[in-house]
Amino acid sequence: DAGVIQSPRHEVTEMGQEVTLRCKPISGHNSLFWYRQTMMRGLELLIYFNNNVPIDDSGMPEDRFSAKMPNASFSTLKIQPSEPRDSAVYFCASSLGEKRGGYTFGSGTRLTVV
Amino acid sequence: GDSVTQMEGPVTLSEEAFLTINCTYTATGYPSLFWYVQYPGEGLQLLLKATKADDKGSNKGFEATYRKETTSFHLEKGSVQVSDSAVYFCALRGTGSQGNLIFGKGTKLSVKP
Repeated sequence: DAGVIQSPRHEVTEMGQEVTLRCKPISGHNSLFWYRQTMMRGLELLIYFNNNVPIDDSGMPEDRFSAKMPNASFSTLKIQPSEPRDSAVYFCASSLGEKRGGYTFGSGTRLTVV
Repeated sequence: GDSVTQMEGPVTLSEEAFLTINCTYTATGYPSLFWYVQYPGEGLQLLLKATKADDKGSNKGFEATYRKETTSFHLEKGSVQVSDSAVYFCALRGTGSQGNLIFGKGTKLSVKP
């Protein structure tokens, strides 16, 4: 199994530009999570999906952030327009959804907004 | 609500020293407990887990025992190596309707040769 695949690994963009981060979960996993990690705030859950349906987006910082999961094998996190304070590492994780199991994380996308 | 508290770092040890990273939790019912490790520049990896009281999770020389009476899941290793330098996260997954992973703030471990 290739694990959770995120792209790109690194993204540098100018303030005001649109940024799209991509995630392919593990085949058969029915829950998908987007996290943001910064030195100041640690790991923050932004949004999660069960069976492609967004369940809780209360962690999304503001309307500039949006996430979609059009099918079981693909999800995107979009920031439009981006700001320097969005600079962070963004992780995608997936799980089987059963209550006793853990999550499998991707390698993350390091976003730098200049 | 459910929460996880782990010792603040950074923790600096010499190679072959004994490691303990404390983790306590607050949760209703019987959550599952996890330790994740994050090596520099990488994502979080599951290190070990325990799903019921008195279970011991173990992997790569690390161990943690699910202690219901003290609501703890301390991580231990008898002899650390330089390659163990990483950030360690304690987490729980509750039994509620959502049951999402809740992470502690992480403890950075540096092992010196």
